[in-house]
Amino acid sequence: QKEVEQNSGPLSVPEGAIASLNCTYSDRGSQSFFWYRQYSGKSPELIMSIYSNGDKEDGRFTAQLNKASQYVSLLIRDSQPSDSATYLCAVNMRRRGYQKVTFGTGTKLQVIP
Amino acid sequence: DGGITQSPKYLFRKEGQNVTLSCEQNLNHDAMYWYRQDPGQGLRLIYYSQIVNDFQKGDIAEGYSVSREKKESFPLTVTSAQKNPTAFYLCASSIAGRSNQPQHFGDGTRLSIL
Repeated sequence: QKEVEQNSGPLSVPEGAIASLNCTYSDRGSQSFFWYRQYSGKSPELIMSIYSNGDKEDGRFTAQLNKASQYVSLLIRDSQPSDSATYLCAVNMRRRGYQKVTFGTGTKLQVIP
Repeated sequence: DGGITQSPKYLFRKEGQNVTLSCEQNLNHDAMYWYRQDPGQGLRLIYYSQIVNDFQKGDIAEGYSVSREKKESFPLTVTSAQKNPTAFYLCASSIAGRSNQPQHFGDGTRLSIL
């Protein structure tokens, strides 16, 4: 089992719809969870962090965390063509006193105009 | 503006050559990291450093070396022992010792074999 798993996609949604991106992780002790957006040929850009069970909203983005199910998701409301990118889920796990961030392979999102 | 600067943006390596990728940050972060990204794949950790003069191997350290002589600098050398160096290399930094702090990335260096 991979430490952090994401569906590679592509996930295609029409403009204006809600895009739902999902991520599962293996380590029950994980405390911090991050979503990054990566445009083709560019570096990852942090868009959301979440640390507690429940929802966290920031503009059109909502991160959802369920530690019991080891599941974190990202919802993008009113999707725009500019949201088309690969979204990386990252989970911070504690290893031998070091904070190890493990990245999923990413989900490619395509927003169709 | 605070940030992470990677140079060069593009780099070409000849057979048997060592090349060094630069990473400088002015965020006053203690921790720095090097990742490799291959097409369609996630980020794989090469080396990390939590403090000056100390660094640890990540998941794919073979064929790479690093140094951390200054807090703001963490250069990566891709040695001739790395037989498949073509990839996108990303440097990141974060506040060390706190699990709720995310990593921030530079713009990356794209390395290719001549």
